[in-house]
Amino acid sequence: GNSVTQMEGPVTLSEEAFLTINCTYTATGYPSLFWYVQYPGEGLQLLLKATKADDKGSNKGFEATYRKETTSFHLEKGSVQVSDSAVYFCALQLIFGQGTTLQVKP
Amino acid sequence: DAGITQSPRYKITETGRQVTLMCHQTWSHSYMFWYRQDLGHGLRLIYYSAAADITDKGEVPDGYVVSRSKTENFPLTLESATRSQTSVYFCASSYRRNTEAFFGQGTRLTVV
Repeated sequence: GNSVTQMEGPVTLSEEAFLTINCTYTATGYPSLFWYVQYPGEGLQLLLKATKADDKGSNKGFEATYRKETTSFHLEKGSVQVSDSAVYFCALQLIFGQGTTLQVKP
Repeated sequence: DAGITQSPRYKITETGRQVTLMCHQTWSHSYMFWYRQDLGHGLRLIYYSAAADITDKGEVPDGYVVSRSKTENFPLTLESATRSQTSVYFCASSYRRNTEAFFGQGTRLTVV
C-alpha cells in the first residue's frame, strides 16, 4: 500500500541557514504529493503541492520537487527565518508522515 | 464564516463516557476525514467519508464511530472513552481524494 517516510526531527538551525527535510514515498499510480505546515496550537495548512512527476511546488521560499525515479519529495528552503519554526508534514493522499519539528534560532 | 470548524476546542471526559466531536465544513467538499495526532505517531487516519452516507475505516478506527447524514457534517463519537484516546483530533475536508485537505483547528481531548 501507499506509505510516506519522513526524516525524524527535531531539526535546529540558525537563522539564514539552508533547510532540507527528507521525504520518500511508496505509491501505486501517480498520486499528488503535499507538504503541510503546523504552527503551534493550530491545525495543518497546505504549504505546497506537486501533482505529477518532475513538478516543483513552491511557496513562501520553500520548494519541493516530485522525483519519480527516487520516489522522493524533499522540502528545501535557502534561508530560514525564526518565523519558519513549526512542524512540517509530508503527505500522500490520506497518508501523512510523522512530522518534522523545525526550530530556527536567531 | 466559510471554512471548517470543530467543536469543542477542548474537552475533558471520564473513562467510559460517550463523547462526540463535531466537524462542520461550508465548502460542500465531498471528502471528510478524522485524524488523531499523538507525539511520536504523527497524524493517523481514524475514519474518512467520500460522500454523505459513505464512510470507511482508516488506520486506527477501533473505539470510534462516525456518521455522515449531511455533506457538511462529520461527527466522531467515542462510544466508551479510554485513556488511550487522549489526543488532539483534527477534522479535514477535501474536494477530491487526491486534492489538498483543509484542516480544522483541532479538538484537544483528555480522558481521565
